[in-house]
Amino acid sequence: AQTVTQSQPEMSVQEAETVTLSCTYDTSESDYYLFWYKQPPSRQMILVIRQEAYKQQNATENRFSVNFQKAAKSFSLKISDSQLGDAAMYFCAYSQGGSEKLVFGKGTKLTVNP
Amino acid sequence: DTEVTQTPKHLVMGMTNKKSLKCEQHMGHRAMYWYKQKAKKPPELMFVYSYEKLSINESVPSRFSPECPNSSLLNLHLHALQPEDSALYLCASSDRGYTEAFFGQGTRLTVV
Repeated sequence: AQTVTQSQPEMSVQEAETVTLSCTYDTSESDYYLFWYKQPPSRQMILVIRQEAYKQQNATENRFSVNFQKAAKSFSLKISDSQLGDAAMYFCAYSQGGSEKLVFGKGTKLTVNP
Repeated sequence: DTEVTQTPKHLVMGMTNKKSLKCEQHMGHRAMYWYKQKAKKPPELMFVYSYEKLSINESVPSRFSPECPNSSLLNLHLHALQPEDSALYLCASSDRGYTEAFFGQGTRLTVV
């Protein structure tokens, strides 16, 4: 079974600084997708960024980028120029191609200090 | 419209009550999901409906009964719940499993 591991239960960053959240996963499949979701105190899960395993290029969305190391099965999220609104729980998630199941990591709580 | 709407936002129910949670999406997504989330934990998948048919049931107790009346609506019927069932219940939808899943704001359920 696929597993997703987030080894940092909590992280903090100063406003305007850069922070990297770690995620590793375990799978024997070659066709899969990786996601970072953000869940602020308002409770709604919001997709931050998505990476297709077949793509070598790292995904980027504005201030958010990933470092996808397929051989190492690592998928870290970098947040640049951190803002107060970035404070949230961040979940790394995995989906096997063709599957309707999302496997979530345990999450990392990010605090942004002014 | 990229919203998934859940009602109610909060629900308090007794262990003998029957209640329903509702979820609606108008994005034409063919898959809809129910998740249960305890505080400071990741969401746990409960059910998946694909093309209005139940495709995944993650061994959820029968006191939780899902229903998909049409492609836009998803219900979760609750009966004889236990206090440990108190949690945030999230609904989500996606076009395909590996594309973006859109989540609702959830229903905070308290069983007393």
